[in-house]
Amino acid sequence: EIVLTQSPGTLSLSPGERATLSCRASQSVTSSYLAWYQQKPGQAPRLLIYGASNRATGIPDRFSGSGSGTDFTLTISRLEPEDFAVYCCQQYGGSPPITFGQGTRLEIK
Amino acid sequence: EVQLLESGGGLVQPGGSLRLSCAASGFTFSNYAMSWVRQAPGKGLEWVAAISGSGGSAYYVDSVKGRFTISRDNSKNTLFLQMNSLRIEDTAVYFCAKSGVGPTLSHFFDYWGQGTLLTVSS
Repeated sequence: EIVLTQSPGTLSLSPGERATLSCRASQSVTSSYLAWYQQKPGQAPRLLIYGASNRATGIPDRFSGSGSGTDFTLTISRLEPEDFAVYCCQQYGGSPPITFGQGTRLEIK
Repeated sequence: EVQLLESGGGLVQPGGSLRLSCAASGFTFSNYAMSWVRQAPGKGLEWVAAISGSGGSAYYVDSVKGRFTISRDNSKNTLFLQMNSLRIEDTAVYFCAKSGVGPTLSHFFDYWGQGTLLTVSS
């Protein structure tokens, strides 16, 4: 089973700043099968990025994903007020089990 | 428009059983694998089970193997999760989620339902 570790646990930034979130895998993720989700309180997760770097439909271009192997990054270039939420990575490489990271809380400074 | 609507959650005693349903619309249901993902109160997401588009293959997280069964009725565009021998640690919001990559078991999730709450307590 691939374990995903996200850092930092909490990130405090101001609107307009750049956010960099990390997701590290315990072993290489097959074919960069890594996704990122945004979740706000009381809501279902929302797909942001799949295949490590592909934006999902309707996702603003301030969101970008990068990385391969065991190290992946989600970058939000200029934070908007609606971007403050919890962000979670997920790997889906090869056979199940599918696993998620524990999440990074992005809060307003 | 893709819609996923879960139902069937509630309060169950430890050792009890419950069946969750997820009604899907807005896409060709049988072409896509589906999963159940849960989130315990204040915790992160945990994938629970996945089923292939045809329903012929399924996979489970170790903690629910032998207790939970995922199934689907492609004629009714509905996904199910039969949960037996429930434990307190199964308490969570259960989401059904659609595969973004087609019928294969391992996938990311491009659409999610709003979730249904299962509480296991005496």
